Amino acid sequence: EVQLAESGGGLVNPGGSLRLSCAASGFTFSSYSMNWVRQAPGKGLEWVSSISSSGDYKHYADSLKGRFTISRDNAKNSLFLQMNSLRAEDTAVYFCARVSGYEWGWGQGTLVTVSS
Amino acid sequence: NFMLTQPHSVSESPGKTVTISCTGSSGSIASNHVQWYQQRPGSAPTTVIYEDYRRPSGVPDRFSGSIDSSSNSASLTISGLKTEDEADYYCQSYDSNTVVFGGGTKLTV
Repeated sequence: EVQLAESGGGLVNPGGSLRLSCAASGFTFSSYSMNWVRQAPGKGLEWVSSISSSGDYKHYADSLKGRFTISRDNAKNSLFLQMNSLRAEDTAVYFCARVSGYEWGWGQGTLVTVSS
Repeated sequence: NFMLTQPHSVSESPGKTVTISCTGSSGSIASNHVQWYQQRPGSAPTTVIYEDYRRPSGVPDRFSGSIDSSSNSASLTISGLKTEDEADYYCQSYDSNTVVFGGGTKLTV
């Protein structure tokens, strides 16, 4: 069974940093591209970033302006999102998702709250 | 930038059929596959349609997807509506190397 478990969310001050993790199990992690998607409270889904199966190719939403970095450790079946210079508008549930062709499988999400 | 536009909300009675549209802002929506996600309150999204019309295993055939190139839109149709279908539905596609989501449609059954 494919499982994705996000962790690392929490309360952080504006301007602070946070590193999210996504632990994958039930499939060969190194064979799949992965994405981060976020959802602000009461709002829709917003794509954040994607990374190829090897980690060689990374893409980001323009709105992030270089503050976020996606990475992966295929040996540890893990996906990461380093978030710096956090703002109140980054408050959201962050989901990781596996991409199999065009079919996405989603984790349950982790809540990030940016507030003083 | 490429955008996908969905109606904010739709409503239909149990047992009826409803169609949710997703209109591309430019170019051809048929040039990239469209996916549809269901999100119930408090839960993560789940895929109900991928590659325009394919259903993941476990998704009932009451859910169907289609593309209409003449209107540059994709559609999700749910027949035989059940109260459990009440949820938010999002379309998604691609624009070069970026992922684009529609704004979501709240379905009330």
